[in-house]
Amino acid sequence: GESVGLHLPTLSVQEGDNSIINCAYSNSASDYFIWYKQESGKGPQFIIDIRSNMDKRQGQRVTVLLNKTVKHLSLQIAATQPGDSAVYFCAENMYSSASKIIFGSGTRLSIRP
Amino acid sequence: DTGVSQNPRHKITKRGQNVTFRCDPISEHNRLYWYRQTLGQGPEFLTYFQNEAQLEKSRLLSDRFSAERPKGSFSTLEIQRTEQGDSAMYLCASSPEQNTEAFFGQGTRLTVV
Repeated sequence: GESVGLHLPTLSVQEGDNSIINCAYSNSASDYFIWYKQESGKGPQFIIDIRSNMDKRQGQRVTVLLNKTVKHLSLQIAATQPGDSAVYFCAENMYSSASKIIFGSGTRLSIRP
Repeated sequence: DTGVSQNPRHKITKRGQNVTFRCDPISEHNRLYWYRQTLGQGPEFLTYFQNEAQLEKSRLLSDRFSAERPKGSFSTLEIQRTEQGDSAMYLCASSPEQNTEAFFGQGTRLTVV
């Protein structure tokens, strides 16, 4: 498949370790945040979301942390697996406009065997 | 329903030609979004529909671009007089309502030669 994100920051982790991917969002009025995973040649795939009235949300092997004070979002992946290799994007939305999801710059996650 | 469907998956066209892409959203999803993605970048918002109404257009959407969703179901994105700079992945997404996660299709890869 065709690669996306050829010039993106890369995070390399050992298989089985935990991964932490960080994101700084731009708009203090944003109140809904989403993490997407994008594999080569595919569209973004929803992973987990969080609303601004929360600071932590857990899914299966994933946790999202939100720090509104510094406008920072992180995605933690537990026990990283080869299938987690992809580009990860954070995205934000403003409820008041609720019109579009704005994507941040992505991070490429690569897994060392 | 297997998700958002986009056709064609790949399109190669000569500069100056017109192209049209189709997106079939998830059934009963009211919102439909178009994004454009170039290598190394996150998806950029182009436009979105609430049912058949086009509610917002990005400044990225020049006069050569037009999108429709005539019956509030599928949508088309047409690019007239294509330019090499139009080469990108065009992504479609849908969501059931505002401020919820958007589900993406696999995209249409446009190459203008």
